[in-house]
Amino acid sequence: EPEVTQTPSHQVTQMGQEVILRCVPISNHLYFYWYRQILGQKVEFLVSFYNNEISEKSEIFDDQFSVERPDGSNFTLKIRSTKLEDSAMYFCASSETLAGGPGEQFFGPGTRLTVL
Amino acid sequence: AQSVTQLGSHVSVSEGALVLLRCNYSSSVPPYLFWYVQYPNQGLQLLLKYTTGATLVKGINGFEAEFKKSETSFHLTKPSAHMSDAAEYFCAVSGGATNKLIFGTGTLLAVQP
Repeated sequence: EPEVTQTPSHQVTQMGQEVILRCVPISNHLYFYWYRQILGQKVEFLVSFYNNEISEKSEIFDDQFSVERPDGSNFTLKIRSTKLEDSAMYFCASSETLAGGPGEQFFGPGTRLTVL
Repeated sequence: AQSVTQLGSHVSVSEGALVLLRCNYSSSVPPYLFWYVQYPNQGLQLLLKYTTGATLVKGINGFEAEFKKSETSFHLTKPSAHMSDAAEYFCAVSGGATNKLIFGTGTLLAVQP
């Protein structure tokens, strides 16, 4: 069964460092998303991406964040200068159609980012 | 704006008992509603969804949910709990021009033998 994969499963970094979280969405999907879940809190939407551009972003997704689809398979989230409060589980998701329609968002297993 | 409220951050049931996880939503547009399950150290897996049509929705693993517009609710039920149902359950809403999912805070379900 096709699945969304994410690497690494756990990333530890020093405050101020750049990190890149990687995702491989399901191959025929067209919509890509990043969400995060700070420990003990709800899952929060960060950004959605379609047709090689951001289609929607939350207020969390400030200038420190960027997304890219560098090739036909990978979808990355970059945090330019990490802060302690960026520590969270980051989930990638993909869907064939919009979540508002019949499409389902398939989630990866997540990358746990720890900023020291 | 959309939001989701899940009543009860922790629910404990006995094996074989009814599972009822509560979800209320707020939406200014017709909502699309979802229940996701998260097992330890895994991603979110879709249990079921309501988009349009029949208000009683059946999902995987024997779960079902009923969309009640008058009560703005989308409660998740399962007639008989199994030990393997122990996990965290998230209700989510989307709809209108947005495709983002708005999640509730989650309910951790424990199943006692």
